[in-house]
Amino acid sequence: AQSVAQPEDQVNVAEGNPLTVKCTYSVSGNPYLFWYVQYPNRGLQFLLKYITGDNLVKGSYGFEAEFNKSQTSFHLKKPSALVSDSALYFCAVRGVYNQGGKLNFGQGTELSVKP
Amino acid sequence: DGGITQSPKYLFRKEGQNVTLSCEQNLNHDAMYWYRQDPGQGLRLIYYSQIVNDFQKGDIAEGYSVSREKKESFPLTVTSAQKNPTAFYLCASSITTSGRYEQYFGPGTRLTVT
Repeated sequence: AQSVAQPEDQVNVAEGNPLTVKCTYSVSGNPYLFWYVQYPNRGLQFLLKYITGDNLVKGSYGFEAEFNKSQTSFHLKKPSALVSDSALYFCAVRGVYNQGGKLNFGQGTELSVKP
Repeated sequence: DGGITQSPKYLFRKEGQNVTLSCEQNLNHDAMYWYRQDPGQGLRLIYYSQIVNDFQKGDIAEGYSVSREKKESFPLTVTSAQKNPTAFYLCASSITTSGRYEQYFGPGTRLTVT
């Protein structure tokens, strides 16, 4: 079985401050991990992924995420938040043994960046 | 939203009617997926298909049906057997080449059944 937990329903940060959106996972074998962003009434946009290699992954719009195998975490980070980063963020996981390509998504974290 | 289109954006139906949601992609992706999104519940997988003329049930397939007659198209029918059909429906696609596992999403269809 594979699953993802996003422990925070909402994260509030001030513009210009660093942001972190947390994600932990459970999967058999090595994980493939993903972050997506969703703006209101829109589809999900792919931000970044970890498949293998460097634990620090850089993605779109200045976001990055750090894979930590010992803590089974894949937290999303950005050094300086923008008001336009306000959106719903989803973490997703797929196990290496999952041949069907199914992703399991977390429940989402609402990020609010205030000026 | 890439090369995935979903139509219509908003759909209203009366209870007891079947309704079909369209999903088309021009990305030449092999795999396609249907998800349902409800507030506070994230995305739940309804059906997925890795090749033409083949598809598998996801976690919440009851009350839904799909077909995959063409690589580009993966329509979803919400039947009258689905007890709570009002939701936001998202279609996605991906290629199946090793290392390219990310899914790309369409803009979604919001279905309201009264």
